[in-house]
Amino acid sequence: NAGVMQNPRHLVRRRGQEARLRCSPMKGHSHVYWYRQLPEEGLKFMVYLQKENIIDESGMPKERFSAEFPKEGPSILRIQQVVRGDSAAYFCASSPLAGGTDTQYFGPGTRLTVL
Amino acid sequence: AQSVTQPDIHITVSEGASLELRCNYSYGATPYLFWYVQSPGQGLQLLLKYFSGDTLVQGIKGFEAEFKRSQSSFNLRKPSVHWSDAAEYFCAVGARSGYSTLTFGKGTMLLVSP
Repeated sequence: NAGVMQNPRHLVRRRGQEARLRCSPMKGHSHVYWYRQLPEEGLKFMVYLQKENIIDESGMPKERFSAEFPKEGPSILRIQQVVRGDSAAYFCASSPLAGGTDTQYFGPGTRLTVL
Repeated sequence: AQSVTQPDIHITVSEGASLELRCNYSYGATPYLFWYVQSPGQGLQLLLKYFSGDTLVQGIKGFEAEFKRSQSSFNLRKPSVHWSDAAEYFCAVGARSGYSTLTFGKGTMLLVSP
């Protein structure tokens, strides 16, 4: 059973460009969480999605950031008009259920660098 | 709001020595508690978790953690550290009700000296 897949692993963008980060959850998992890790910081929750639904986006910046988890295909975190402050590692996690007892399994992350 | 404090940013331990990494949390009730490890440039791997029952939890790679409700702590321990344990360690809490997003501490970087 493959783990959580994220691609690309590294992404370089110039200021003003768009960044698209992809996350394929583990097989059988229908819950996806995105976290951001800034340098020398812990991970911060951004958004929680189930198939075709955003359940909680309370950690997502109000502008330029969006996320989706379509019925088919990976979850996408999209950052429009990137700025230097968006440089960070973005991690996706998945779980089979939504309950608190359910362990979240993390992908290897996408490291975004904005020039 | 829940929060996690890992008071030690860096810790250096000699190979073969014992290890304790501290974690204190703030939460209205008893949360779910986790320890994750992150090697450089890698994702997070779950070491162990506490949901209920025995307050001493065993994990992978010889790690254990003890939940102490009175101290709001969930410290990670290992009796004998190996050089391969050098990594960053994150403590996290999750809510017991509804869905559970995780709140992480800032991490403790473990360095292992020969």
